[in-house]
Amino acid sequence: QVQLVESGGGLVKPGGSLRLSCAASGFIFSDYYMSWIRQAPGKGLEWVSDISSSSDSTIYYADSVKGRFTISRDNAKNSLYLQMSSLRAEDTAVYYCARREYSGYVYYLDYWGQGTLVTVSS
Amino acid sequence: SYVLTQPPSVSVAPGQTASITCGGNNIGSKNVHWYQQKPGQAPVVVVYDNSDRPSGIPERFSGSNSGNTATLTISRVEAGDEADYYCQVWDSSSDHWLFGGGTKLTVL
Repeated sequence: QVQLVESGGGLVKPGGSLRLSCAASGFIFSDYYMSWIRQAPGKGLEWVSDISSSSDSTIYYADSVKGRFTISRDNAKNSLYLQMSSLRAEDTAVYYCARREYSGYVYYLDYWGQGTLVTVSS
Repeated sequence: SYVLTQPPSVSVAPGQTASITCGGNNIGSKNVHWYQQKPGQAPVVVVYDNSDRPSGIPERFSGSNSGNTATLTISRVEAGDEADYYCQVWDSSSDHWLFGGGTKLTVL
């Protein structure tokens, strides 16, 4: 069965860096676009970034993280990453990785991990 | 930039029908997805591409999309349907996913 397991969250000071990982299993990882979505405590969902399946690595970022966050993947290791730098208090959130599925017309997020909590505080 | 607007809360009695709306400029031209999120859990897609249901999602969940409003309809609501619901679209003008603010469904 499809599994996505995030790790790497924790407490970091403002201005610091953190690298999140998402280990994928149960499907051919290299066939799928992947996404990061976050949720601040008590708030709604906010899309963070997407990366394409192949080596051309088409990448998209939300304006709120562009220039500070870097998404990447290692298809040999079935892993997705999010390198976060210049972290701010407003980056505090649970970070989810999710798989993009193609319906035949459009992409949607069909599997999500359980999330990893990032807290940015001094 | 494109904005999706959802009511913060909807309440319904068990066995009744709940309708959760997602408003956006000409949203009927977009493909809307709906996610259910229960407390402490990751979101789960309940409707994709306006009206399709993933396997395992009850037929009680349905979706429609026209004009400036997309709607998630939950028929014969059960206590277990109590959750936050989010609509989502891909905004091709900005290459961004967009989520609505979420609607908390309360089963009375």
